Amino acid sequence: NAGVMQNPRHLVRRRGQEARLRCSPMKGHSHVYWYRQLPEEGLKFMVYLQKENIIDESGMPKERFSAEFPKEGPSILRIQQVVRGDSAAYFCASSPRQGTYNSPLHFGNGTRLTVT
Amino acid sequence: DAKTTQPNSMESNEEEPVHLPCNHSTISGTDYIHWYRQLPSQGPEYVIHGLTSNVNNRMASLAIAEDRKSSTLILHRATLRDAAVYYCILRDTGNQFYFGTGTSLTVIP
Repeated sequence: NAGVMQNPRHLVRRRGQEARLRCSPMKGHSHVYWYRQLPEEGLKFMVYLQKENIIDESGMPKERFSAEFPKEGPSILRIQQVVRGDSAAYFCASSPRQGTYNSPLHFGNGTRLTVT
Repeated sequence: DAKTTQPNSMESNEEEPVHLPCNHSTISGTDYIHWYRQLPSQGPEYVIHGLTSNVNNRMASLAIAEDRKSSTLILHRATLRDAAVYYCILRDTGNQFYFGTGTSLTVIP
């Protein structure tokens, strides 16, 4: 897990504020995945990105959520106007490249978002 | 979303082998079988994966049924540090890993 860096580790926001979660993939990895985990539940896929491209956002809520993975810098998951139901652990994972679907994902330790 | 079925929970005595089953009856020919585990307050950790043949690594063994509709993760000697939620996942040529609710393994000292 040490290779994928997520920050902050814990984030507290009031309802209506914006939450910005960052993910730096492992060195040499150009593909990033974001997952959400509600308390006592499994991980739910949100979005899959390559550098400067969103490849699959089928798991992302249509409103208030957005993600990016710029050419330089970390991947960002942005949640606007947060609500209590957004409280969850958000995990980022990276992999080397598309097509190597037999290669594992490497996960960070997550950002735990609490909305008050 | 999940394409796999696992028992919700299992128990094992410390230093005994553990066999964690997974059913994936709708598996396609190109789906790889991956196993991850998640310790409390951590992100998932890769354990092992395979396609058709049984696989061994330093963490575990993966036994895949001949028809590929089921697999078993084998921990040869359970330790207290193996207590975690274990996820069996299929990965195809698409983009998503489908995580189910996994099996919560309790190791009894």
